[in-house]
Amino acid sequence: SQTIHQWPATLVQPVGSPLSLECTVEGTSNPNLYWYRQAAGRGLQLLFYSVGIGQISSEVPQNLSASRPQDRQFILSSKKLLLSDSGFYLCAWTSGRDTDTQYFGPGTRLTVL
Amino acid sequence: GQNIDQPTEMTATEGAIVQINCTYQTSGFNGLFWYQQHAGEAPTFLSYNVLDGLEEKGRFSSFLSRSKGYSYLLLKELQMKDSASYLCAVVDSNYQLIWGAGTKLIIKP
Repeated sequence: SQTIHQWPATLVQPVGSPLSLECTVEGTSNPNLYWYRQAAGRGLQLLFYSVGIGQISSEVPQNLSASRPQDRQFILSSKKLLLSDSGFYLCAWTSGRDTDTQYFGPGTRLTVL
Repeated sequence: GQNIDQPTEMTATEGAIVQINCTYQTSGFNGLFWYQQHAGEAPTFLSYNVLDGLEEKGRFSSFLSRSKGYSYLLLKELQMKDSASYLCAVVDSNYQLIWGAGTKLIIKP
């Protein structure tokens, strides 16, 4: 069966510090991968998605970036965090078919102080 | 623009039935998802509708009317553990998933 991992689970970072969040998927190959952010009490905002290694599409211009160095690894980064980057970051995967269900990782709770 | 509307919050009583509505206006339609999200946790898949009608899965059912741009999630025999947010999401013509803001369901004893 397929599983998706994210780490860390929680993170408290000062403004201006760098960020690296990691997501890995097991039990499948060539998944579509997604990064979302959810502000408190709000819906999901798609940040990036990837259909293959090195292929990243950005949905929202901001100080975040994403990379996919391996087939089942997706990384979210920032060089300098802003207060507004605080939120719940979720990674999701699908098998690649257009209407497939998205399955989410456990998420990372990021607080920028 | 693309828009999905859900009530922000609903309250229901344990053992009762509740219906959570979702209306959408999107560029095309290729299906509608319902997810459940408990506080502090990731969303989990509940249902997918692409054709009109009712899909039943145990205590949960989901209905779709494409002509009306409308769906609802029906929860029967409510339990305290059903307290959560329920997210509606539509697949548009570009196969992008458009998310609603979610409905927070509060279950009272």
